[in-house]
Amino acid sequence: EIVLTQSPATLSLSPGERGTLSCRASQSVSSYLAWYQQKPGQAPRLLIYDASNRAPGIPARFSGSGSGTDFTLTISSLEPEDFAVYYCQQRSNWPPGFGGGTKVEIK
Amino acid sequence: EVQLLESGGGLVQPGGSLRLSCAASGFTFSSYAMSWVRQAPGKGLEWVSGFSNSDGRTYYADSVKGRFTISRDNSKNTLYLQMNSLRAEDTAVYYCARDTSGSYLRGYFDYWGQGTLVTVSS
Repeated sequence: EIVLTQSPATLSLSPGERGTLSCRASQSVSSYLAWYQQKPGQAPRLLIYDASNRAPGIPARFSGSGSGTDFTLTISSLEPEDFAVYYCQQRSNWPPGFGGGTKVEIK
Repeated sequence: EVQLLESGGGLVQPGGSLRLSCAASGFTFSSYAMSWVRQAPGKGLEWVSGFSNSDGRTYYADSVKGRFTISRDNSKNTLYLQMNSLRAEDTAVYYCARDTSGSYLRGYFDYWGQGTLVTVSS
């Protein structure tokens, strides 16, 4: 089973700053990686799929990159509504699995 | 507007059973694979089970295999999860989620319900 490790566990930033979140896979997942955002008391929201494709309706400030084992989610300029927990998820090997999450909090 | 509405959660004793339902609207339910994903209190996400509409196959996480059964009724636009032999570690919010790819279970999820809480405790 593929293990996804997200870092850092917590990222403290101010609105307007750039956020860079990392996801590392224990073995290659090719480009079969997605990112989700989850706010307290809400369901996850798909942001990025296949490593770099934004889901419909997702703002351009969210971008994804990487392939193989190392992936990055970048938020170019944090808006107040972006403070949340972010999860990466692979679908390369069954079953689909999620990383442990990165919490982006207000500094 | 795509909507997924889960129900059926609650408090159950260890060893007990529950059946969760997920009522879908706003899209052609029969054309999409569906999954259940859970989240233990304060923890991360865990995929639990999926139903591939293209071939009728069902898939399960090892942690629930043999205890949980996923099913669907396309005439009622509803997904189900029958949970038997429940354990304390099954305590979680259970979400139903639509697969992005249509009838084939691809493994990305673009729409989620609001979740239903299952608590397994004596």
